[in-house]
Amino acid sequence: QKEVEQDPGPLSVPEGAIVSLNCTYSNSAFQYFMWYRQYSRKGPELLMYTYSSGNKEDGRFTAQVDKSSKYISLFIRDSQPSDSATYLCAGFTGGGNKLTFGTGTQLKVEL
Amino acid sequence: DADVTQTPRNRITKTGKRIMLECSQTKGHDRMYWYRQDPGLGLRLIYYSFDVKDINKGEISDGYSVSRQAQAKFSLSLESAIPNQTALYFCATSDWDHEQFFGPGTRLTVL
Repeated sequence: QKEVEQDPGPLSVPEGAIVSLNCTYSNSAFQYFMWYRQYSRKGPELLMYTYSSGNKEDGRFTAQVDKSSKYISLFIRDSQPSDSATYLCAGFTGGGNKLTFGTGTQLKVEL
Repeated sequence: DADVTQTPRNRITKTGKRIMLECSQTKGHDRMYWYRQDPGLGLRLIYYSFDVKDINKGEISDGYSVSRQAQAKFSLSLESAIPNQTALYFCATSDWDHEQFFGPGTRLTVL
């Protein structure tokens, strides 16, 4: 079992829809949770990160972590075609340890 | 200029050949990483370096070696390339593990 599981999609939604992207994880030691966005033929870029449980909002994006159920979510409001990308979640225990990535969910927002 | 650059961007080679992928960064970060990305498997860590004198194996280091020539340069070598090393390779840098900055990637094909 991978430490971070993510539905690969693809997920196709109409412009303006609310998008929910989700991950589950198995490592209870994860303290930080990240969402990276990767456009086609580009490297991933950090979108948001949260520490421990709770919500974090940044514009149209909201990251949510529920450590009791080991569930990570990213919500995108008023989705735009420019949001079309692969979204990777990741967990991090802190200290000298490494990021553990999910496999990514491919999102397409259609006009 | 890009903060993290990778050369070459694309490479096609034959089984048994030695290949070097190069990464340079201008962000002044001490930490550098090499990942490979495969469909359905996500990003997997090959090697990482916390400073010039510190090199560590990641989860899939077999068949690969690295060299940290300077704070800004981190090279990945495939001593004898094989077809299952065909993948997209990314270099990344960070001050902290959870916020990594990725290069544009090298698409490697081993025939």
